[in-house]
Amino acid sequence: GQNIDQPTEMTATEGAIVQINCTYQTSGFNGLFWYQQHAGEAPTFLSYNVLDGLEEKGRFSSFLSRSKGYSYLLLKELQMKDSASYLCAVKGGGADGLTFGKGTHLIIQP
Amino acid sequence: GAGVSQTPSNKVTEKGKYVELRCDPISGHTALYWYRQSLGQGPEFLIYFQGTGAADDSGLPNDRFFAVRPEGSVSTLKIQRTERGDSAVYLCASSKSRGQETQYFGPGTRLLVL
Repeated sequence: GQNIDQPTEMTATEGAIVQINCTYQTSGFNGLFWYQQHAGEAPTFLSYNVLDGLEEKGRFSSFLSRSKGYSYLLLKELQMKDSASYLCAVKGGGADGLTFGKGTHLIIQP
Repeated sequence: GAGVSQTPSNKVTEKGKYVELRCDPISGHTALYWYRQSLGQGPEFLIYFQGTGAADDSGLPNDRFFAVRPEGSVSTLKIQRTERGDSAVYLCASSKSRGQETQYFGPGTRLLVL
């Protein structure tokens, strides 16, 4: 089976840095994705990792360790508009659809 | 349009009725996916199309759910004899091809079964 765990909710301060962790157990692995979802809106793609290491894209970075079944999303210089849910998703072996975690609701405080 | 579009944006129906939800993927994208998202949960995979064929329908919850993509572009998700538990946001996503990993999501259809 597939299981993806991420914290339910996190709070951070505007201008600061926050790290959202994700652990997974899946049957096979063909990549890990992070999506951002504002309330009532569609998920929007943030990052994709298939090899171990850090992928940096502006204020957002994502890290993957396949041996540990672990990823994190790092958000720097937080802005109020970053308040959203962050979804970790894995593409398992032989599967075409993504398996999503429940999402981490990030609250940014002034 | 530039992105994935879905219609209707909202649908209210009564228990037992039949509904159709439409998805128009990004132009040129051959892969199309349907997901269902309940409140406080991540999206749950339902079905995947590569071209006109349903390549993976392992996520469809039961035989009341069916989807088609007759011309390899627009797709319709069909739900028969709707139940209150079918209430959710139905999301559609597309990607360039099976090998192109990134899936781009539409705004979803919010289905409420009374």
